[in-house]
Amino acid sequence: DGGITQSPKYLFRKEGQNVTLSCEQNLNHDAMYWYRQDPGQGLRLIYYSQIVNDFQKGDIAEGYSVSREKKESFPLTVTSAQKNPTAFYLCASSIPASPRAQHFGDGTRLSIL
Amino acid sequence: AQKVTQAQTEISVVEKEDVTLDCVYETRDTTYYLFWYKQPPSGELVFLIRRNSFDEQNEISGRYSWNFQKSTSSFNFTITASQVVDSAVYFCALTQGGMYSGGGADGLTFGKGTHLIIQP
Repeated sequence: DGGITQSPKYLFRKEGQNVTLSCEQNLNHDAMYWYRQDPGQGLRLIYYSQIVNDFQKGDIAEGYSVSREKKESFPLTVTSAQKNPTAFYLCASSIPASPRAQHFGDGTRLSIL
Repeated sequence: AQKVTQAQTEISVVEKEDVTLDCVYETRDTTYYLFWYKQPPSGELVFLIRRNSFDEQNEISGRYSWNFQKSTSSFNFTITASQVVDSAVYFCALTQGGMYSGGGADGLTFGKGTHLIIQP
């Protein structure tokens, strides 16, 4: 089945550690996105990439990093510089002129030990 | 800057009642796209509808309908004869047109969501 796969579903981080969230899509979409969702809040854009080897900061990029070496993959690293990383992280993808807009993965819930 | 406001934090109705979720947006772009997503308790976001700024025609899909009014910058969502399975958080979102005409290549701006509870 075509779709977006995020792993792991749950992730725990110790203070001072970097962790990487995986996002893979087999939809042949050009653009990919990372959003963060806090309880009772909407989604906020962290980073996005419109094409391989290119990415742009979103509204809350500080403390995060990404790479886009392959069209199918857009991993997000939550660095130790992110002081409040506990949140639900959603990855999405889309193609230009798509009538169905962005497709989302099932999310990764990150917690601090 | 873009902004989406969903003033209703939580709505609770009894099954079979009609319910309307409000969405008000702000943007300086003349070309933009509006969306509604559903987030069930499992967490994934389910796409419901996309509307571009040049198409003010209302849309109906089964029990769902959407009312887009540029004059009031609103894009409201109505569920007719609500069912327990409609219980979820619903998000309204906005993106500018940009170089790509439909995918929201620069990402979406989301409202904070409305938690809809349908009681049996």
